[in-house]
Amino acid sequence: NAGVTQTPKFRILKIGQSMTLQCTQDMNHNYMYWYRQDPGMGLKLIYYSVGAGITDKGEVPNGYNVSRSTTEDFPLRLELAAPSQTSVYFCASSYSPGSPDTQYFGPGTRLTVL
Amino acid sequence: KQEVTQIPAALSVPEGENLVLNCSFTDSAIYNLQWFRQDPGKGLTSLLLIQSSQREQTSGRLNASLDKSSGRSTLYIAASQPGDSATYLCAVGLSPKFYFGSGTKLNVKP
Repeated sequence: NAGVTQTPKFRILKIGQSMTLQCTQDMNHNYMYWYRQDPGMGLKLIYYSVGAGITDKGEVPNGYNVSRSTTEDFPLRLELAAPSQTSVYFCASSYSPGSPDTQYFGPGTRLTVL
Repeated sequence: KQEVTQIPAALSVPEGENLVLNCSFTDSAIYNLQWFRQDPGKGLTSLLLIQSSQREQTSGRLNASLDKSSGRSTLYIAASQPGDSATYLCAVGLSPKFYFGSGTKLNVKP
């Protein structure tokens, strides 16, 4: 039982490049989330999903896209990377028997856009 | 929109001291509140989850309380140790989303 895994751990992008951050959970959780954390700040919600095929925007969705074709996977796509997207990205999942329960986090992806 | 505030932003205490971290939120219609620990360069580890119907939760030297009516939660750490040094974040669950505070950075000096 690996929990929530994220790849890659680190990445450097040039302005205008695109990439996909991978997130997989093996706990059969129906809720999944993507957050970004800027230095010295809390986490801001980018996108979330309440189940396969269902996604919705969080607080800071601009410049990102997501899809959820399976329960296990929730990739985050960055199109046309900008320096403002330099951050640490965390994926999380949660079981939801009526309301979201404890969140479990992946180790994060540290992204730098130059 | 839910706003979550954590005070203080940083705290330095000598080993053995009892301490309290504070979390306040603006919308009291929450499902739950979760406290996390984050070590430098690492992900988040869940410490305690309090459901909206509960007043407190305890785990070892940690005790978290919740007062929905006043929009406040506290994390009490007893007999602090250098290994407790980390950033502590609270997250308020307002289904299906969670809203995070910016954290309290704790330093426990030997």
